[in-house]
Amino acid sequence: SYELTQPLSVSVALGQTARITCGGNNIGSKNVHWYQQKPGQAPVVVIYRDTNRPSGIPERFSGSNSGNTATLTISRAQAGDEADYYCQVWDSSAVVFGGGAKLTVL
Amino acid sequence: QVQLVQSGAEVKKPGASVKVSCKASGYTFTGYYMHWVRQAPGQGLEWMGWINPNSGGTSYAQKFQGRVTMTRDTSITTAYMELTRLRSDDTAEYYCARVEGGYASLDYWGQGTLVTVSS
Repeated sequence: SYELTQPLSVSVALGQTARITCGGNNIGSKNVHWYQQKPGQAPVVVIYRDTNRPSGIPERFSGSNSGNTATLTISRAQAGDEADYYCQVWDSSAVVFGGGAKLTVL
Repeated sequence: QVQLVQSGAEVKKPGASVKVSCKASGYTFTGYYMHWVRQAPGQGLEWMGWINPNSGGTSYAQKFQGRVTMTRDTSITTAYMELTRLRSDDTAEYYCARVEGGYASLDYWGQGTLVTVSS
């Protein structure tokens, strides 16, 4: 089965740029979706199909996907961006999630 | 507006079954697949499967085959997930989430239902 690998934790200074990676075999050939989950809340999609932002998601959130790595980039990080972030792809007709990365804003 | 409202928390004994409901509103219920995802305390997201509310067709993650059944009632725009032979490691928050199809994202999620399995 297909596996996605994320770092357990990522730290970023307030106002700087955070990059959260998601590794998978030839992930560049798949559509990658990214979710933000804050404590006690359901996940929210922040990037869909690699690079697209849903309405209401700040432009500070962007995504890229190539080769074996997809990346979620959060520019000008704010305290409110502290959360768990999950990448997700489809493998055949099944959904696969990465293990999740905890973003800490220092 | 799109809303997915789930049933309330449950406490079950090992070996029992649980059935969680997910009431959809604000969109055409039969136009979107409904997925179920769970999250054990302090852990990541785990996909369980989906149901096509239009046809009733289902697809389950291999891990849950034989223990999970997903159904729907289109007359009340509600999807259900039943998990049988519960174990302590089934203790988790269970979410429903809709998907438009075609490898799309899970764009709207329910609020979650906590299922606790304890003797």
